[in-house]
Amino acid sequence: SQTIHQWPATLVQPVGSPLSLECTVEGTSNPNLYWYRQAAGRGLQLLFYSVGIGQISSEVPQNLSASRPQDRQFILSSKKLLLSDSGFYLCAWSKQTADSYEQYFGPGTRLTVT
Amino acid sequence: LAKTTQPISMDSYEGQEVNITCSHNNIATNDYITWYQQFPSQGPRFIIQGYKTKVTNEVASLFIPADRKSSTLSLPRVSLSDTAVYYCLVGRMDTGRRALTFGSGTRLQVQP
Repeated sequence: SQTIHQWPATLVQPVGSPLSLECTVEGTSNPNLYWYRQAAGRGLQLLFYSVGIGQISSEVPQNLSASRPQDRQFILSSKKLLLSDSGFYLCAWSKQTADSYEQYFGPGTRLTVT
Repeated sequence: LAKTTQPISMDSYEGQEVNITCSHNNIATNDYITWYQQFPSQGPRFIIQGYKTKVTNEVASLFIPADRKSSTLSLPRVSLSDTAVYYCLVGRMDTGRRALTFGSGTRLQVQP
């Protein structure tokens, strides 16, 4: 069966500090990968998605970046965090199929920028 | 993505059937309708997806009328564990982009 891991689970970082969140998927190959952010009490916002190694699409202009160094590894980074970067960060994967919006989410990382 | 409108909240009791309706008046020909469930501090979970008429799985049913301008998620015999936020989204299937853009969703509270 497939599993998706994210770490860390929680993070408190000062404004201006760097960020690195990691996501890995097991039990599948060549997945589509996604990074979402959910602000408190709000819906999901797609930040990045990737259809393959080194292929990243950015959805929202911001100070965040993403990389996919391996097939099942997706990393979200920032050089300098802003207060507005606080939120619940979710990684998800989906099969590379043409007929579904089914995505599988990780446990998330709750980031607080102080 | 087509804009969707859902009730902000709903209340029910254990054992009842719950129907959550979503309006999507400007749905396009290539759009599919998908529903997700989310518990606090967890990632969303896929429930069901459909294009027209009725779709049923082991968790829920999705009813879509002929004009496709709305859809209804039906949860049979809910339990306390069904208390969650339910999101409706409409997205096109003719591109490779599968972005989930949720609105505020419907907060379902199931009482004993």
